Amino acid sequence: EAGVAQSPRYKIIEKRQSVAFWCNPISGHATLYWYQQILGQGPKLLIQFQNNGVVDDSQLPKDRFSAERLKGVDSTLKIQPAKLEDSAVYLCASSLAQTNGYTFGSGTRLTVV
Amino acid sequence: GEDVEQSLFLSVREGDSSVINCTYTDSSSTYLYWYKQEPGAGLQLLTYIFSNMDMKQDQRLTVLLNKKDKHLSLRIADTQTGDSAIYFCAEFGENQGGKLIFGQGTELSVKP
Repeated sequence: EAGVAQSPRYKIIEKRQSVAFWCNPISGHATLYWYQQILGQGPKLLIQFQNNGVVDDSQLPKDRFSAERLKGVDSTLKIQPAKLEDSAVYLCASSLAQTNGYTFGSGTRLTVV
Repeated sequence: GEDVEQSLFLSVREGDSSVINCTYTDSSSTYLYWYKQEPGAGLQLLTYIFSNMDMKQDQRLTVLLNKKDKHLSLRIADTQTGDSAIYFCAEFGENQGGKLIFGQGTELSVKP
């Protein structure tokens, strides 16, 4: 099966600019997650979708971050405006059943300068 | 609370066994996972163990779970240079609302 697709792979922006990341999960996976991984740390969940509904966005900085999952398939994560501390790898994952764990995409590496 | 702890670095010689340790705090965790991350790549699921198990073996990988002490370990037999990566422990349980909580990762360096 095809994996979780993410784009772009890399993005460099200046602070206060906007950026968007895209994720296409594995076909049939109802649950989709966005994680933020700061260099040297483990991934931290930003938002979890079940189909096109939000299950958990308690760690999402809602003043600048937004995410949507239209039609319960693809998802976009947006940052507006970006701060230096948003520099990280943004990982998208999807899951079918918990015993299989999550399948992660390769991530988008964001550098804010 | 949610907290998963790992030691940051481990260095071994090729052919030796590696043991990566992890402690977690949520006693309601139902599944515990080990993921591998190579440079510039996403996380690859290596193996997992259900909380009612003590041990799981999968080829060169052995997972040991001590539920009483909330301690998880991953043993890699006959470690190869291709095993050099960062290894993440993660817990899943109802108290986490159905999400994975990751440790900070252990960087494994395998020297020839």
